[in-house]
Amino acid sequence: SAVISQKPSRDICQRGTSLTIQCQVDSQVTMMFWYRQQPGQSLTLIATANQGSEATYESGFVIDKFPISRPNLTFSTLTVSNMSPEDSSIYLCSVEFGTSIETQYFGPGTRLLVL
Amino acid sequence: DQQVKQNSPSLSVQEGRISILNCDYTNSMFDYFLWYKKYPAEGPTFLISISSIKDKNEDGRFTVFLNKSAKHLSLHIVPSQPGDSAVYFCAARRTGNQFYFGTGTSLTVIP
Repeated sequence: SAVISQKPSRDICQRGTSLTIQCQVDSQVTMMFWYRQQPGQSLTLIATANQGSEATYESGFVIDKFPISRPNLTFSTLTVSNMSPEDSSIYLCSVEFGTSIETQYFGPGTRLLVL
Repeated sequence: DQQVKQNSPSLSVQEGRISILNCDYTNSMFDYFLWYKKYPAEGPTFLISISSIKDKNEDGRFTVFLNKSAKHLSLHIVPSQPGDSAVYFCAARRTGNQFYFGTGTSLTVIP
């Protein structure tokens, strides 16, 4: 499986500021995904990021709020913009890797608290 | 709309006994189902999966059962070990489409 790292692992931010989360994979992957897990909730897909094209956002998520970059096949960033306490969540990146495209592998997550 | 549901938020089992975690889904188009395990401060780790063409898949102590008519799957862990204590998520997808996750069941295996 791929080794996935995320930075930062956690952060405490003030309302109205923005935070950029980085996701690094040790192998080249075509598709990278960003999820959010709010307290007591399931993992919810925010967007799919393919290298060389605009990210595809799921219903309820917009690019202005969650801009995503995918500059190459091993790296992506998710920015949480103009944060409010409702954005407090765990943010996870994941990839589909190798011959098994049915399984996603996750990074360790970024725990965000917005005051 | 929660397409994948785990109705038990927590489960406690004695070491050596069987742990049974349950999951229900609503979309009959799902054709692939997975279980993930998550420790605190870590991302979910893939555990076991099953295709909709099967009704059982076994990997060591872990077995997943799929009942398509009931839209229900379960994960059996036998024998349960303290190291199995974690949050377990079930997930489902239709091939080529996004994953849908349940809310998780926190398993505690008591030594």
